[in-house]
Parts: sequence; structure tokens; C-alpha cells
Amino acid sequence: SAVISQKPSRDICQRGTSLTIQCQVDSQVTMMFWYRQQPGQSLTLIATANQGSEATYESGFVIDKFPISRPNLTFSTLTVSNMSPEDSSIYLCSVRTGLGTEAFFGQGTRLTVV
Amino acid sequence: AQRVTQPEKLLSVFKGAPVELKCNYSYSGSPELFWYVQYSRQRLQLLLRHISRESIKGFTADLNKGETSFHLKKPFAQEEDSAMYYCALSVGGTASKLTFGTGTRLQVTL
Repeated sequence: SAVISQKPSRDICQRGTSLTIQCQVDSQVTMMFWYRQQPGQSLTLIATANQGSEATYESGFVIDKFPISRPNLTFSTLTVSNMSPEDSSIYLCSVRTGLGTEAFFGQGTRLTVV
Repeated sequence: AQRVTQPEKLLSVFKGAPVELKCNYSYSGSPELFWYVQYSRQRLQLLLRHISRESIKGFTADLNKGETSFHLKKPFAQEEDSAMYYCALSVGGTASKLTFGTGTRLQVTL
């Protein structure tokens, strides 16, 4: 199993600013995933973060808006840049640890942009 | 691209009644199918995966490749089953991303 700690758990930010969300895992994992869950919607994958290489972004998400760092096998950050109210969402960090295994999730970061 | 469809946003049942949460998927190969659950104020967690063919908390789900479905069932609903349920699909092996359905909120009432 894997235990994921995400910080902050919630924040209220001014439009035009940036917020960095941290994800810490209690074990080494190859890939981390960042998801967004907009109000009343399902989880949408933003990007897959590999240690030591550039993150792979899904269609509709770009590095300039959502830069990701992955400095080691237990930590990653997602930055939401130049925020607008449309970025108000829950952002979730997730990992999978092995063959055919379940995905583990952080508790999420609830972001409100005003 | 793969897609997961959960047609019901809300399913309300009485305690003791049978439950069926529907999930259909579109993918031409052999996917991994999962059910995830989110109880109030808790993080998302795995409930079932099709490869293990197990029953968790009385829930079962059978993969029907002909109908491309993975419906979640429980014969007798309990109040503690009230939660948000997400069907999810993964393709391409170990560390692949999950594609989620839109979720069904199960509400079990007395």
C-alpha cells in the first residue's frame, strides 16, 4: 500500500496568482498522477509525472499552466499558474505501486479562486 | 480513446433492497476495470477490481466483455453503503492512468 499526504488541503486564492500543491508518498513509486475534479464532475487526469523526466500531459492541459516537478521517487508538486475562477477544483495526487495494483489517492486540495 | 459511462448520477434505495450501479466502457482491447468508492469526508479508495473476482463489503462486479459492462451489485443495501461510487478503467499495464466515469451517488435510506 501507499500513504499519500497532500498539502495544502484547501486554499482560497486571488485570480492571477499561482498555487503549488505538494504530494508526499511514504514509499518509492515510479509514476504519480495528478487529477482534477471540478465541481459536480468526475476525475480528469492532468498529467503523469515520471521521476527524472518531463511530465506527460493529457489533451487540454499544458505545462505552462500546470508545471509539475518530480525531484525524487516519493515527492511531486503541481503548480496551478495564473489562476482564474475556472481553476476552482479539487486537485488529487495518485500513485500505483505495482503490477495490477490499485491506485492510491491523496486527500485532495480544494482550491477556490476568487 | 477509452471511455467509461455511469448513466445514473444518483441512485436512492431503501435499506435491505438490492443495489446495482451500472458501468459501461468502450475500449477495443482487454482493460482492467475497477470500482472506487468515496465515503463522506474520506479519500477515494479501491472497492473492487475485476481481476481479483472478490466480494468486498458484500459488493460484487462481473466483467461482461460482450456487453462491455462492469456493473456493481449488492443483494442487500446497508446505510453505510451510502457514498460516491466511481467506475474506472486502465489499459496498458502496471502504472497506467485510470479513466473514470462520472460517478454515481448511492443513497441508502431507512
